[in-house]
Amino acid sequence: RKEVEQDPGPFNVPEGATVAFNCTYSNSASQSFFWYRQDCRKEPKLLMSVYSSGNEDGRFTAQLNRASQYISLLIRDSKLSDSATYLCVVLEPGYNKLIFGAGTRLAVHP
Amino acid sequence: NAGVTQTPKFQVLKTGQSMTLQCAQDMNHEYMSWYRQDPGMGLRLIHYSVGAGITDQGEVPNGYNVSRSTTEDFPLRLLSAAPSQTSVYFCASSYRDTLYEQYFGPGTRLTVT
Repeated sequence: RKEVEQDPGPFNVPEGATVAFNCTYSNSASQSFFWYRQDCRKEPKLLMSVYSSGNEDGRFTAQLNRASQYISLLIRDSKLSDSATYLCVVLEPGYNKLIFGAGTRLAVHP
Repeated sequence: NAGVTQTPKFQVLKTGQSMTLQCAQDMNHEYMSWYRQDPGMGLRLIHYSVGAGITDQGEVPNGYNVSRSTTEDFPLRLLSAAPSQTSVYFCASSYRDTLYEQYFGPGTRLTVT
C-alpha cells in the first residue's frame, strides 16, 4: 500500500464548478499535511497547509479527517488557471522527509 | 534571488555513462533534497541533506551519490546510468524549520538509452 494515495483523475470540470479531491495516508502517526500544485512540465509549489480545524484560502478549502486518515481539497468557482496537478503531501513523523502522493490532475474547460 | 537552479535542463545518456546533475540555491537554506518524478509514481526522495557535510538516503537511493560541501550546492551523481533512471529530477531546498515549504528547481529531464 502506498503511503499517500490519490485518485489520479483527470477531473474535467467547466469553469465555475466546484470540485473536490481526496487523499488518504497510511501512517496514523503523521501530523502535518499539505497540498502542492504542479503545472504541466513545471516544478511543484506549495499551495496550502491542512490544519485539523480546516484551512480556507480564497476559493480553496483544505480539510483533515484524522479518524479516517484522509485529506481533502475543495476548489470553488473553478477558473481555467486552476488547471494543474494537485499533490497531496505528508510530513513524515521525525520531520526530515516529505512524502508526496502521485497527484490528481484537474482540467477546467470553458 | 535566483532561487533554486538546476543544470542541465535536458540530458541524454547511454547506458553505463556517468554524469552529475547540478543544483544550487541562494536562499541560505539548510535543507536540500533530490527527487525523481515518474508517471503515476509521484515524487520520490532520492537523497537529502540537513546541512553542509551531512547527507542521508531517501526512498530510492540506489545508483545515486550526493555530497554537500557547501550550503549552496547539492550535486547528484549517477554512477552508471541505466534505462530505469530515465525520469525528471527535481532538486529542492527549504529552511529546516519549515521543511513543508520546499522550493523546487525547474527540473532536469534525463533519458537513458
